[in-house]
Amino acid sequence: EAQVTQNPRYLITVTGKKLTVTCSQNMNHEYMSWYRQDPGLGLRQIYYSMNVEVTDKGDVPEGYKVSRKEKRNFPLILESPSPNQTSLYFCASSFSQVYTGELFFGEGSRLTVL
Amino acid sequence: QKEVEQNSGPLSVPEGAIASLNCTYSDRGSQSFFWYRQYSGKSPELIMSIYSNGDKEDGRFTAQLNKASQYVSLLIRDSQPSDSATYLCAVNTLPNTGFQKLVFGTGTRLLVSP
Repeated sequence: EAQVTQNPRYLITVTGKKLTVTCSQNMNHEYMSWYRQDPGLGLRQIYYSMNVEVTDKGDVPEGYKVSRKEKRNFPLILESPSPNQTSLYFCASSFSQVYTGELFFGEGSRLTVL
Repeated sequence: QKEVEQNSGPLSVPEGAIASLNCTYSDRGSQSFFWYRQYSGKSPELIMSIYSNGDKEDGRFTAQLNKASQYVSLLIRDSQPSDSATYLCAVNTLPNTGFQKLVFGTGTRLLVSP
């Protein structure tokens, strides 16, 4: 089954404790991206990756890091989480750098930072 | 001015009626447009994409694009209670990076009553 898998799905953590949200896709997609979704603000892009080893900042990259060492994986790293990073996070992928609007989303990771 | 604007709703329609969802965008150079459906607590799911002016039909869904007026709409015919969800409009813009950037609206909540 074609899918984008995120882990963990739910996480409660404390300020400053490093965490990683993993994202893996099994569709051989070139393009991957991370979004956060907050009430009233909608989906905002954190980072994206056009292909392996090529990543770039989205609209709200502060406090986040990513890496794309393999085509299928695109982890999101919060080095020192803060309460304003409490949000619902989505990883998404697309088969082409051109058709980056046709995204497949993971199920989401709900993060709470105390 | 927001790049992609939608009325947050809720838009309430009776079962069997036509639901009309609207979206306006600011980047006149945008070339591709998408509608995603998001059920409460779930991830967004692509339901329609449209790339040229006019109408595109897929089952009960029709996407309409008017680039001159910079709006895109989604019509849902014979609305069903299962269509109750938030509908996200997304537009591919072309910022200075040279790579397309997908910008989401904040969504319109649709409620279909039996």
